[in-house]
Amino acid sequence: AQSVSQHNHHVILSEAASLELGCNYSYGGTVNLFWYVQYPGQHLQLLLKYFSGDPLVKGIKGFEAEFIKSKFSFNLRKPSVQWSDTAEYFCAVKDGQNFVFGPGTRLSVLP
Amino acid sequence: GAGVSQSPRYKVAKRGQDVALRCDPISGHVSLFWYQQALGQGPEFLTYFQNEAQLDKSGLPSDRFFAERPEGSVSTLKIQRTQQEDSAVYLCASSLARIQPQHFGDGTRLSIL
Repeated sequence: AQSVSQHNHHVILSEAASLELGCNYSYGGTVNLFWYVQYPGQHLQLLLKYFSGDPLVKGIKGFEAEFIKSKFSFNLRKPSVQWSDTAEYFCAVKDGQNFVFGPGTRLSVLP
Repeated sequence: GAGVSQSPRYKVAKRGQDVALRCDPISGHVSLFWYQQALGQGPEFLTYFQNEAQLDKSGLPSDRFFAERPEGSVSTLKIQRTQQEDSAVYLCASSLARIQPQHFGDGTRLSIL
């Protein structure tokens, strides 16, 4: 069965630092890949998605992610984080019928 | 509103009681999903509806969990004889089709005492 791992449980950065959150999935083949964000007290929101084509995907709020098929990875990046990026970030993989979510990475950005 | 609406936002129940959680999806969304999110974990899939048909219930943890969507819009997740391990946030999501990105509600935080 598909599984999704996220490398860091909690990341703490200062404003303007660069961000990279790791995401790996276990099963190859055709997959759709997503990053969701959950701001404190809010519902999950889609940041970006990859279905096919250019493996470098641009999302909202300056986020991007790169799909590397050979590494089964879909890491999330942002060149310069802001305090408002403080949230929980979930990687998700759609493999066949269902979504499988990673455990999430909490990002704390210090002002 | 235009988003997925879930009610109640918070529910506290005594062990052994039955609870019902409601989800109002975005109008016109065919697909509806229920997830369970335990503390510190990512959402875990419970069940999926396409219109009124429950096409996948493989994630329901036990026969105490029951979901319905009788008219293909509002859905209810019912948990009978609740146990402490049922304490979690229950998320509902809807999408235009199964392959499309899902829009999530705020969730219902269920606490079983």
